[in-house]
Amino acid sequence: AQSVSQHNHHVILSEAASLELGCNYSYGGTVNLFWYVQYPGQHLQLLLKYFSGDPLVKGIKGFEAEFIKSKFSFNLRKPSVQWSDTAEYFCAVNPPGNMLTFGGGTRLMVKP
Amino acid sequence: DTGVSQDPRHKITKRGQNVTFRCDPISEHNRLYWYRQTLGQGPEFLTYFQNEAQLEKSRLLSDRFSAERPKGSFSTLEIQRTEQGDSAMYLCASSSAGQIAYEQYFGPGTRLTVT
Repeated sequence: AQSVSQHNHHVILSEAASLELGCNYSYGGTVNLFWYVQYPGQHLQLLLKYFSGDPLVKGIKGFEAEFIKSKFSFNLRKPSVQWSDTAEYFCAVNPPGNMLTFGGGTRLMVKP
Repeated sequence: DTGVSQDPRHKITKRGQNVTFRCDPISEHNRLYWYRQTLGQGPEFLTYFQNEAQLEKSRLLSDRFSAERPKGSFSTLEIQRTEQGDSAMYLCASSSAGQIAYEQYFGPGTRLTVT
């Protein structure tokens, strides 16, 4: 069965620092890839997605992610984080089939 | 479009009781999903409907769990004879057809506590 690994469980950064959150998946076929974000007290929201084409995808709020097929990775990046980016971030994979397989999440705290 | 809604938001029940949760998807979304999320973990897939047909079920969905979507609109998830291990956040998501079917929109969840 496919699985998704997020290596950083907790990340603490100061404002304006750069962010990179790792995501690796185990599935050899074609996949759709997602990052979801959950702000404190709110529901899961789609941050960005990759279906095909340019492996560098841009999402909302200045986030981007790069799909590297050879590494089975889909890392999330942001050049300069803000206090409002404090949230939990989930990587998810959708192989053929309809459900999403999520990673365990990374809790990001941005210090003002 | 008011998004995916779930009711109740919180449920506390005693072990052995039955509980039922409701999910109202985004209108005209024909796909509906149930996930379960425990503390410190990502959501785990439970089951999926396309219109009123239940097309996929996870092995996580024991025989105490049943889900329905009788008219292809709202869905209910029932847990019979609840156990403490059922304590979790139960999430509902919906999506439409085509490629964007893979974009799932989540509701706020129902937090179940079994005492």
